[in-house]
Amino acid sequence: AQSVTQLGSHVSVSEGALVLLRCNYSSSVPPYLFWYVQYPNQGLQLLLKYTSAATLVKGINGFEAEFKKSETSFHLTKPSAHMSDAAEYFCAVSGPNTNAGKSTFGDGTTLTVKP
Amino acid sequence: SQTIHQWPATLVQPVGSPLSLECTVEGTSNPNLYWYRQAAGRGLQLLFYSVGIGQISSEVPQNLSASRPQDRQFILSSKKLLLSDSGFYLCAWSGRVWNSGANVLTFGAGSRLTVL
Repeated sequence: AQSVTQLGSHVSVSEGALVLLRCNYSSSVPPYLFWYVQYPNQGLQLLLKYTSAATLVKGINGFEAEFKKSETSFHLTKPSAHMSDAAEYFCAVSGPNTNAGKSTFGDGTTLTVKP
Repeated sequence: SQTIHQWPATLVQPVGSPLSLECTVEGTSNPNLYWYRQAAGRGLQLLFYSVGIGQISSEVPQNLSASRPQDRQFILSSKKLLLSDSGFYLCAWSGRVWNSGANVLTFGAGSRLTVL
């Protein structure tokens, strides 16, 4: 069984500040990990994914995430927040030979960026 | 390139009325197709998925049904809507390769349903 915990349902940062969104996972098999972003009234789109290659994964819009097996974490970071980063962010986990649609999603973290 | 279309974008329906949400994918063949529901402030709940025409798997018993009449068409239906069916419905597709756990989900723009 797999699960994802996103710590903090709401995160607020000032424009230009570091963005850190936390995700911890539980998996009995080597995990594949994803971050998706959802802008208001839109579908989700992929930010980045980890599939057992480099542990530091770079995504779109300046975001990156680091897979830390010892901490079972996959936190999302961005050095400097922009107003356009305000959205909801979802962490998801799946495993080998798992139907992608059966990925387990976290409950999401809403990011607010203050001017 | 692949695109996914979902409609209608918004609808308001009375309790007891029927529902039909449609999703089509372009630019790919034999996709896995999915319907999710997103309740306000919550994560995604997988409702149905399909790995081929006429093949539907239901994840959660409910008042809804799904059909896949064509390879790239996925329909979510209900005969009689309940208040609890309100929510944001998302269609998604993924490719079908041997290591499907690494496949990325591509989502449609969503359909917001309000049942009154």
